[in-house]
Amino acid sequence: NAGVTQTPKFQVLKTGQSMTLQCAQDMNHEYMSWYRQDPGMGLRLIHYSVGAGITDQGEVPNGYNVSRSTTEDFPLRLLSAAPSQTSVYFCASSYGGIYSNQPQHFGDGTRLSIL
Amino acid sequence: GESVGLHLPTLSVQEGDNSIINCAYSNSASDYFIWYKQESGKGPQFIIDIRSNMDKRQGQRVTVLLNKTVKHLSLQIAATQPGDSAVYFCAEISNDYKLSFGAGTTVTVRA
Repeated sequence: NAGVTQTPKFQVLKTGQSMTLQCAQDMNHEYMSWYRQDPGMGLRLIHYSVGAGITDQGEVPNGYNVSRSTTEDFPLRLLSAAPSQTSVYFCASSYGGIYSNQPQHFGDGTRLSIL
Repeated sequence: GESVGLHLPTLSVQEGDNSIINCAYSNSASDYFIWYKQESGKGPQFIIDIRSNMDKRQGQRVTVLLNKTVKHLSLQIAATQPGDSAVYFCAEISNDYKLSFGAGTTVTVRA
C-alpha cells in the first residue's frame, strides 16, 4: 500500500513551458486535491475532485488545469509556467474529503522551480 | 477575515519536556479541526483531529484541546523526542465546508 504517490519529486522549468505533475493513490479514495505550499503561508487549495469525472476550483486555480478520469489518478497541469508558480505542490486524498470530516493523506510533494 | 493561524512561528523545547503548540482561529462556524506534522522534505502527516462537540482528545503522546469560547486550539506533545522536530500546523473545516490551513510552527527539540 503506497498511499499517495507524486512524481516527479523535483522539476525545473523555463517560463512558458508546460508540464504535468502526477498524483496517484491506491486507497480507493473518492476525494483528491492539489495544494501549493509557499514559505510563511499555509497550504492553499488549487483544485479538487470529489470523484472520477468531477473536478472543481479551489482558492488559487489560475494557471492550472486538472482532470480525473480514474479514481486513482489526479494529474495537475501547468499550462504556461510562470515564476510565481515556483512552489512545493502537494496532492492529497481522503474517503469523503472535507464534506465528511475525514483527514487527508498527503504525498511527499513536487518541488517546482520556474526560471 | 477568516483565518487559521499559529501564535508562534518557532518553538524550541528540551528533549523530554512537554511541548505546547497553539493555534487561533477566527471562524466560529468551524466544526472540525486537524493537526498535521510535516517533516523536512515530506508531506503533511495526520496527527490527531477533534470535532467541535468535544473539548479534548488524546492520542499516543499527543493531546488536542479545543476552547471554542476563545477560538483556540492547542496540541500538547508529552515527553518530546528528537523525532518530534518538524513543522506543525492546524487546519479547520467550517460547517460550510471551507478548509483553511495555518502557516505552521517549527518545533526544534534540543538534546
